Amino acid sequence: QSVLTQPPSVSGAPGQRVTISCTGVSSNIGSLYDVHWYQQLPGTAPKLLIYSNNIRPSGVPDRFSASKSGASASLAISGLQAEDEADYYCQSYDSNFSGVFGTGTKVTVL
Amino acid sequence: EVQLVESGGGLVQPGGSLRLSCAASGFTFSIYWMTWIRQAPGKGLEWVANINPDEIKRDYVDSVKGRFTISRDNAKNLVYLQMNSLRDEDTAVYYCARAGHYNFDLWGQGTRVTVSS
Repeated sequence: QSVLTQPPSVSGAPGQRVTISCTGVSSNIGSLYDVHWYQQLPGTAPKLLIYSNNIRPSGVPDRFSASKSGASASLAISGLQAEDEADYYCQSYDSNFSGVFGTGTKVTVL
Repeated sequence: EVQLVESGGGLVQPGGSLRLSCAASGFTFSIYWMTWIRQAPGKGLEWVANINPDEIKRDYVDSVKGRFTISRDNAKNLVYLQMNSLRDEDTAVYYCARAGHYNFDLWGQGTRVTVSS
């Protein structure tokens, strides 16, 4: 099964804006499947952060936003805060109906 | 409370077997697809298997096909992962997750599986 490609790490100072890219292929993101994003704080289980390309579940701050275009997607964090330091994963499905995750991006708040 | 609680992890020798369980509560379990996802030490997330509400459809990542079996008991609100012929590379934290619309909207806390001699 294929994997979605993310940068290993991004960093920013408090208050800055950072973005995380997620690149797939025509059989996953580039097809009819949506992209979802998860936040994994150190030592905890992942949590759904964004679903269906750009929708925030209840309770997720509006400084988190996301978009999808073609076979790529991106997550943006505006007004970066210390508690945003975590690993972030994108996720979609493949045409063979298997789930597929991104390689993960560690966000560091400087 | 809406939650998933995994159990059954532990230390097993290569070639051995384990059965993981995931107990669901606080929602109508029988209408949801359920999924197992794993995370090897220091690595990213890997989708392992999913099962539809009536157990007719099950899918697996290639690396576990023929060795792992996902099943469920809707009367008991449980989902299982039977893992046979375990390999070193199966060492990971295994998460049970509820599948929403092609996403995973509820996760358990995970259960650790270590395959080692």
